[in-house]
Amino acid sequence: QSVLTQPPSASGTPGQRVTISCSGSSSNIGSNTVNWYQQLPGTAPKLLIYSNNQRPSGVPDRISGSKSGTSASLAISGLQSEDEADYYCAAWDDSLNAWVFGGGTKLTVL
Amino acid sequence: QVQLQESGPGLVKPSETLSLTCTVSGGSISSYYWSWIRQPPGKGLEWIGYIYYSGSTNYNPSLKSRVTISIDTSKNQFSLNLSSVTAADTAVYHCARGLMGCSGGSCYPDGFDIWGQGTMVTVSS
Repeated sequence: QSVLTQPPSASGTPGQRVTISCSGSSSNIGSNTVNWYQQLPGTAPKLLIYSNNQRPSGVPDRISGSKSGTSASLAISGLQSEDEADYYCAAWDDSLNAWVFGGGTKLTVL
Repeated sequence: QVQLQESGPGLVKPSETLSLTCTVSGGSISSYYWSWIRQPPGKGLEWIGYIYYSGSTNYNPSLKSRVTISIDTSKNQFSLNLSSVTAADTAVYHCARGLMGCSGGSCYPDGFDIWGQGTMVTVSS
């Protein structure tokens, strides 16, 4: 059971906009920043979003992040086939004094 | 650019100690914190712990009694020891560089921007 809760799956057709939610608590998302990672099959996770809504260099602006209270969301617009991957949210948890991750969401491009 | 590479045995016997090393190339190991993160087959990510370049550490409470992370700045390497392993410790083990964000005079951990490709470790007799 992951500390952060994500839907196990999401899907969309090419060109659509999809969102993935991440729910936490006051000790993690409610007090700290949220990150999002993309993991393609057989590869290491790649940082997509840090500080709730900041994109590292090279991440396209059709990918965005937001946070409100104890929840966060990742939005991908103009969906492409190469977006098919697993997505994880993460945040520091002040009560556990540890990094916590969501269980991951498998995004399928139909 | 900075790259991370894990190395170590791919097979460890139950009750023994898993030992892995992460070599940092293309940049200095100083001024960042460095983590180990694992992923059991078909499952999600689990943070194991981090070490700051100064040597201070922080471990996942669920693994704390079995984990030791150390750093060798002269070799640009940091290492993971996980003792008394069981089949539940079978996973891909990644090393990663930690970001720190700062705002209003305080700094906070803000994700992992560079990851090693990962190394599969199987616990089996």
